Amino acid sequence: GQQVMQIPQYQHVQEGEDFTTYCNSSTTLSNIQWYKQRPGGHPVFLIQLVKSGEVKKQKRLTFQFGEAKKNSSLHITATQTTDVGTYFCAGLYNFNKFYFGSGTKLNVKP
Amino acid sequence: DTAVSQTPKYLVTQMGNDKSIKCEQNLGHDTMYWYKQDSKKFLKIMFSYNNKELIINETVPNRFSPKSPDKAHLNLHINSLELGDSAVYFCASSQDGIRGAGTDTQYFGPGTRLTVL
Repeated sequence: GQQVMQIPQYQHVQEGEDFTTYCNSSTTLSNIQWYKQRPGGHPVFLIQLVKSGEVKKQKRLTFQFGEAKKNSSLHITATQTTDVGTYFCAGLYNFNKFYFGSGTKLNVKP
Repeated sequence: DTAVSQTPKYLVTQMGNDKSIKCEQNLGHDTMYWYKQDSKKFLKIMFSYNNKELIINETVPNRFSPKSPDKAHLNLHINSLELGDSAVYFCASSQDGIRGAGTDTQYFGPGTRLTVL
C-alpha cells in the first residue's frame, strides 16, 4: 500500500559526525517534504522536493529525491548539538494523499 | 504574531469527559489539519479541511468530531475520552488551493498535550 518507510528510527552520533536518514516508498511519489521537530516542539518545514533526481542544500543539510521518485534522503554534515531532534519525511501520492514517515530521532553528543 | 495557535496547551481530564481543542491560523491559508502524535512520536493525520469542507477523514473513532466555523479556525471536539486518547494533538495549515492535498508547506501549531486519567 501507499506508505512511507523511514529509517533508522534512532541515531546517536558524536558532534562532528555525519548523519543520514532515509525514506522509501513502494510507489512513485508526487513530492516529498522534510520536517524537523525539536524536543518538546512542533514539526517545522525544512524543504520540499518535486523533481526526479533533485538535490537541494541548506548549509550542512543535503536533501535528495531519487530518480524513480520512490526514495529520499536527508544528510547532515558535521552534526552540531543544535541538530538534535526528530526528522520526518512526508510523501505525497497522486497529488491527493500524503503520509508522514515514522521519523528518525537524532541525538548528538557534545 | 503567532501563525498557527492552539488552546489549551495542556489538557488533563478524566476518562469519559468531553473536551475541545481550538485552533486558529492567521496566514490566510485554505487548508487546516489535525494530527495526533503518540508517545512514540508517530505523526498521524486525522482530518483535513479545505475552505471549511472536510477533505481527509482518516479512520478515527467517531468520538472525534472536527468543526470549522470559517477557514481560519478548525476545532476538535472529543467525546467520551479514553486512556488511549492521551497524546499531543497538532493543528496545521497550508495554502493548498487545490483539495488540501499536502502539496504545500504545512505550518504546525505548538500542540496540545492531552492527558486522560
